[in-house]
Amino acid sequence: ETGVTQSPTHLIKTRGQQVTLRCSSQSGHNTVSWYQQALGQGPQFIFQYYREEENGRGNFPPRFSGLQFPNYSSELNVNALELDDSALYLCASSLRGHQETQYFGPGTRLLVL
Amino acid sequence: QKEVEQNSGPLSVPEGAIASLNCTYSDRGSQSFFWYRQYSGKSPELIMFIYSNGDKEDGRFTAQLNKASQYVSLLIRDSQPSDSATYLCAVPTWYNNNDMRFGAGTRLTVKP
Repeated sequence: ETGVTQSPTHLIKTRGQQVTLRCSSQSGHNTVSWYQQALGQGPQFIFQYYREEENGRGNFPPRFSGLQFPNYSSELNVNALELDDSALYLCASSLRGHQETQYFGPGTRLLVL
Repeated sequence: QKEVEQNSGPLSVPEGAIASLNCTYSDRGSQSFFWYRQYSGKSPELIMFIYSNGDKEDGRFTAQLNKASQYVSLLIRDSQPSDSATYLCAVPTWYNNNDMRFGAGTRLTVKP
């Protein structure tokens, strides 16, 4: 088990709703990355936060947004949910510039009906 | 062409055999390469990373990198049933080291 925690573990929403997912990073880590993993696929990079600012973004629309707090914890917000947003959302913390220190949390499984 | 490609498998090997997992990538500028293991219903965990051409060994695991061929592999010696999982190859983009591109993974089954 890593020191990265996520909440909630499971979530069911309906199309058009908004959702907030939370992540606490491992002690000593200053960077948080969020990934979306659809069934049978590898994780896809959504964005990364460092010093409370977005520090890189993958190919996701603006309705995916995030925050990082002074204690390095983070939130992922998704507005106007679509059916295709159903996936496992993974948070990973690391030391900036050191991808080899990246540890994943257990994930939040989101189902959009 | 996908940025990171892996054979989806499933790959089945008997216990004690060598499992060979392969990955190709499209970005010639990529500098670092990672292998993650993901058990069913769990999150990925890092097994190996490699930066330089050649082999890197860690216990039963060996990562092999050939930048000229844009190819990275993972060998698992003396495979155990506990190695049964999906193995993900990941490569950060050259223009944003934070943007890590994953392959779809290869599912490995080690039969007792």
